[in-house]
Amino acid sequence: QVTLRESGPALVKPTQTLTLTCTFSGFSLSTSGMCVSWIRQPPGKALEWLARIDWDDDKYYSTSLKTRLTISKDTSKNQVVLTMTNMDPVDTATYYCARIEYGLYYFHNWGQGTLVTVSS
Amino acid sequence: QSALTQPPSASGSPGQSVTISCTGTSSDVGGYNYVSWYQQHPGKAPKVMIYEISKRPSGVPDRFSGSKSGNTASLTVSGLQAEDEADYYCSSYAGSNLYVFGSGTKVTVL
Repeated sequence: QVTLRESGPALVKPTQTLTLTCTFSGFSLSTSGMCVSWIRQPPGKALEWLARIDWDDDKYYSTSLKTRLTISKDTSKNQVVLTMTNMDPVDTATYYCARIEYGLYYFHNWGQGTLVTVSS
Repeated sequence: QSALTQPPSASGSPGQSVTISCTGTSSDVGGYNYVSWYQQHPGKAPKVMIYEISKRPSGVPDRFSGSKSGNTASLTVSGLQAEDEADYYCSSYAGSNLYVFGSGTKVTVL
């Protein structure tokens, strides 16, 4: 059974850097074809894809946010970490991590999400 | 990566059908057969209902179906049930390992 769980601060101040961790089970990011993405959703608004990291450590970022995002993985801990710099109130959102299989292009399994509020 | 366009709302009575459109461009919806649809109940994570335009993951009722014509994909929910009331989002592969989501549609069961 695949499960994912996001964790991180519920509140960050403007200009700070956000660090979120996705801890997963039921698959390994050392297995060929496995990938994890981050997706966010501002309150009452649509989903927005942020980033993806693959089993071979290839990384891909949203065109509009790539200068602020870094995705990394710790295969031994079954974790994926997303950092977002220079946080702004418009970045207030629920942040989800999700599993993808390479070449299938859809988000198979999702975490429950973690709400991050940006406010001074 | 501009968001795909969906109608804000759709509705139908129990037993009826509702169809939601998802319009993109030739760089995303029209260029790839990788459109997926997600159901999201309030306060819950999205759940994939359709992938690769018309395929259903195991466990998804066959009341849910998908199609695509040109730059527009569609999700049809037949035989509407109360539990189908939710927000629905489309997503498309946009090339270069990028993804784009739709603006979302709230489906109301009257």
